[in-house]
Amino acid sequence: KAGVTQTPRYLIKTRGQQVTLSCSPISGHRSVSWYQQTPGQGLQFLFEYFSETQRNKGNFPGRFSGRQFSNSRSEMNVSTLELGDSALYLCASSSQTSGGETQYFGPGTRLLVL
Amino acid sequence: GQSLEQPSEVTAVEGAIVQINCTYQTSGFYGLSWYQQHDGGAPTFLSYNALDGLEETGRFSSFLSRSDSYGYLLLQELQMKDSASYFCAVSDNYGQNFVFGPGTRLSVLP
Repeated sequence: KAGVTQTPRYLIKTRGQQVTLSCSPISGHRSVSWYQQTPGQGLQFLFEYFSETQRNKGNFPGRFSGRQFSNSRSEMNVSTLELGDSALYLCASSSQTSGGETQYFGPGTRLLVL
Repeated sequence: GQSLEQPSEVTAVEGAIVQINCTYQTSGFYGLSWYQQHDGGAPTFLSYNALDGLEETGRFSSFLSRSDSYGYLLLQELQMKDSASYFCAVSDNYGQNFVFGPGTRLSVLP
């Protein structure tokens, strides 16, 4: 099976712009979670989607949003970018069946906001 | 809310055994997972404990005590390639709402 893929891998934006990141989960996985990883804050949970519905949401401002499509692919959007949004954005998929605690991470999108 | 604590750094030599502890405070608890992340890479799943006791996978073992809200990852016969960050993570529902610990950076010295 192909792993989790994320596009783009690297991105440079300026403050005030918006950005859309894409994640394709492992085939058959219906749960996609998004995380922000920074040196100072570690891995922080953004939100989780399952069958096109957002089930859980972390403590991030409304500028961070996401969606999931019928094929389980997911996108996250960050509007009005701030310098502090510079981070590695990781998505992870899981099967939500036996062993559903296992999350499979993509390589991440490294976002730099100037 | 949920919070997890791990040591920030651990150093050991090749061939040694190292234990990375994780304590958690959660409003609900479903299981404790461990992930490894090399510099520049993505986290990869190592082990999962839902019940008390020890789970062994090759050189890695993970332990959970639900009554103590405590777990650890045990790495045996350390190799240089084990140098990485190790994260514990809990979810308060089946496969949902993961919270990761701050991570422990393991350095394996020759």
